[in-house]
Amino acid sequence: DIQMTQSPSSLSASVGDRVTITCRASQYISNYLNWYQQKPGKAPTLLIYAASSLQSGVPSRFTGSGSQTDFTLTISSLQPEDFAVYYCQQTYTGPQTFGPGTKVDIK
Amino acid sequence: QVQLLESGPGLVRPSETLSLTCTVSGASISSYFWSWVRQPAGKGPEWIGRLYTSGSSNYNPSLYSRVSSSIDTSNNRFSLNLRSVTAADTAVYYCARGPKVGTSDYSFFYMDVWGKGTTVTVSS
Repeated sequence: DIQMTQSPSSLSASVGDRVTITCRASQYISNYLNWYQQKPGKAPTLLIYAASSLQSGVPSRFTGSGSQTDFTLTISSLQPEDFAVYYCQQTYTGPQTFGPGTKVDIK
Repeated sequence: QVQLLESGPGLVRPSETLSLTCTVSGASISSYFWSWVRQPAGKGPEWIGRLYTSGSSNYNPSLYSRVSSSIDTSNNRFSLNLRSVTAADTAVYYCARGPKVGTSDYSFFYMDVWGKGTTVTVSS
């Protein structure tokens, strides 16, 4: 199975900050990489698919980039509703696998 | 708007079969991929499997020998069965919609609509 890692595992930030989360795949996955946001007690919600395509209805402050094995999710100006856990997911081959998550909380 | 609702027992005895149903409202179940995902408390999500309205399916190899699923287009719902459960199967179980088949991005198999999740505990 392809292993996904994320860094950092958690971060503290303030409203208005620019936040960057990194996701790395254990092998080549082209751009078969999706990003989800999950708030406590809720289901994940899709933010980005195909590494850089913004899901309909998701604010433009969220951007995804990367290819092959290294990917980034950037929040350009953190808003109060963005405090959550973020997961990357690969769908290139084998079982779809998720990263361990990055928790973004309030500084 | 599309809504998914998981239903099934919240408590399952060890060695028995976990059975869940996902009812889809607001849209036809046809022409989409449908997935099951679970999440143990405090951990990341784990993909269980995916099925299509034709009946074809793909499962996580780690669960392949114990899992099966089916789709009921007449009632706009699909189901999951997980046999021989143990405490390790305790988790929140989600159903989710995948891309529409035939669209330019369907091969990315993202999940764009999720149910609220149902908690399943395996315990005697």
